[in-house]
Amino acid sequence: EAQVTQNPRYLITVTGKKLTVTCSQNMNHEYMSWYRQDPGLGLRQIYYSMNVEVTDKGDVPEGYKVSRKEKRNFPLILESPSPNQTSLYFCASSLVSGGYYNEQFFGPGTRLTVL
Amino acid sequence: KNEVEQSPQNLTAQEGEFITINCSYSVGISALHWLQQHPGGGIVSLFMLSSGKKKHGRLIATINIQEKHSSLHITASHPRDSAVYICAGPAYSGAGSYQLTFGKGTKLSVIP
Repeated sequence: EAQVTQNPRYLITVTGKKLTVTCSQNMNHEYMSWYRQDPGLGLRQIYYSMNVEVTDKGDVPEGYKVSRKEKRNFPLILESPSPNQTSLYFCASSLVSGGYYNEQFFGPGTRLTVL
Repeated sequence: KNEVEQSPQNLTAQEGEFITINCSYSVGISALHWLQQHPGGGIVSLFMLSSGKKKHGRLIATINIQEKHSSLHITASHPRDSAVYICAGPAYSGAGSYQLTFGKGTKLSVIP
């Protein structure tokens, strides 16, 4: 089954404790991206990747790191989480053609609470 | 940077009504996405369109590139259509713009 998986789905942590949210897709998509969703602000892009070893900042990259060592995986790293990173996080992937990404496939979301 | 505006923010409809959600954007873009977020939180892509109209079941999406405007229509609405509908497009105009920006969403509630 074609899918994007994220783990964990729910996480409660404390300020400063490094964490990683994993994202994996089995569709051989070039494009992968991380978004956060907050009430009143909607979805905002954190980082995206056009292919292995190629990553770029989105609208809100501060406090986050990503890596793309393999095509299928795109982990989101919070090296020193803070309460303002409490949010709902989505990973997504898509094919790229004609210089543009196509239909986005979203993971189920990770609800992160930083105390 | 592309600014994406949706209207209305909230919409309540009676079952069977025809629904329209609007999306306008500020810079020339090559394509626009419509997404649906279920009450449980999951997001699915409904349409990606760069011109004209696309139809899937009771959902129709249109785009006017010159006017920088897109609409999502739902015919014969049903309570299961209750969700948040989000439009999204490139953050910047021009080829190779891979950063994505989103409208704040339209929350639709369809009452039986």
